[in-house]
Parts: sequence; C-alpha cells; structure tokens
Amino acid sequence: RKEVEQDPGPFNVPEGATVAFNCTYSNSASQSFFWYRQDCRKEPKLLMSVYSSGNEDGRFTAQLNRASQYISLLIRDSKLSDSATYLCVVSDHPMDSSYKLIFGSGTRLLVRP
Amino acid sequence: NAGVMQNPRHLVRRRGQEARLRCSPMKGHSHVYWYRQLPEEGLKFMVYLQKENIIDESGMPKERFSAEFPKEGPSILRIQQVVRGDSAAYFCASSPRSSLNTEAFFGQGTRLTVV
Repeated sequence: RKEVEQDPGPFNVPEGATVAFNCTYSNSASQSFFWYRQDCRKEPKLLMSVYSSGNEDGRFTAQLNRASQYISLLIRDSKLSDSATYLCVVSDHPMDSSYKLIFGSGTRLLVRP
Repeated sequence: NAGVMQNPRHLVRRRGQEARLRCSPMKGHSHVYWYRQLPEEGLKFMVYLQKENIIDESGMPKERFSAEFPKEGPSILRIQQVVRGDSAAYFCASSPRSSLNTEAFFGQGTRLTVV
C-alpha cells in the first residue's frame, strides 16, 4: 500500500465548476499535511497547509480527517489557471514539517473554457 | 531574495558517465533536501543535509549516489556510472529551520536524461 494515495485523474471540468480531490495516508502518526501544486515540468509549490479544523484560502478549502486518515481539497469557481497537478503531501516528523515530505503521485486537473 | 537555484536545468549523460547536480538554497536556509521524481510518479525523498553534515540519507540508493553540502558553496548530488533508470527530475528544497511551521521551498529541478 502506498504511503499517500490519490486518484490520478484527470479531472476535466468547465470553468466555474467546483471540484474536489481526496487523498488517504497510511501512517496514523503523520503530523503535517499539505497540498502542493505542480505545473507541467515545473517544481512543486505549496498551495496550503491542512489543519484538523479545516482551512480556507480564497477559492480553496482543505480538510483533514485524522480518524479516517483522509485529506481533501475543494476548489470553487475553477479558473483556467487552476489546471495543474495537485499533490497531497504528508510529513511524519513530530518536530519538523519540512523534513522528509511524502508525496502522493498527484491528481491532474484540466479546466476547460 | 532569490529562490532555490538548481543547475543545470537539463543534463544529458551517456551510460557510465558521472552526473553532478547543484543546488544553492535560499539565503538564510541551512537545511537542504533532495528529491527524485520519476515519470508519472510522486517525488521521493533522497537525502537531508545541513552544512557539512548528512542528517538522513535513508532515501539514497546504496550505490553510485552521494550528496554533500560543504561549508562554502552549493549542495551537490553526485551520481556515478549513470544508468537509464537514473533518468528523472531531481528537485532540491531548502528550509530555514526545523519546526512545525516551516515551509520547504523547491528549486526548478534538474532533468537528467541518460542515453
């Protein structure tokens, strides 16, 4: 079983749609959780951290369910520029959230006009 | 403040040659991480270094791969006697400290192609 699992997609949605991505992780002791965005042939960039209380940043909402070991990302009012691969990322280290990040394989999003 | 700088961006090597990948962390960052991304896969942790010290190399292949972060100069990931399976994107990340609120910033990566 992979440490971090994601549906690879692609999710093909029209502009303005709401789309949700899910991710599961295998280590119940994982400490830090993130969504990264990776454009084609570019480096990953942090989209947002994910907290148990849930957090929102503009059109993006992330949720963490520790009991189910499940992380979600909701994108509202999709834009063409949201087309990218979204990486679910976990860190197991209790004191350092940037140490030994564990990446999912990513979910590809295509937003069409 | 320049971001994490990696060079070269693209590197082509013949089987059996050596590949040297360089990474200069962001200014003020003393923690460097190397990751490898194979086609259609997620990034995989290779090694974590601080100045002059290898902290965790649990993700490094046992042979042919080595990394260093000298007191002066960039971090180097060295691959000796490259094989086709080494073809991948190699990303370097840096962070300023160890804490639960620290973000790792990634460089643009080096795409290694072994022919």
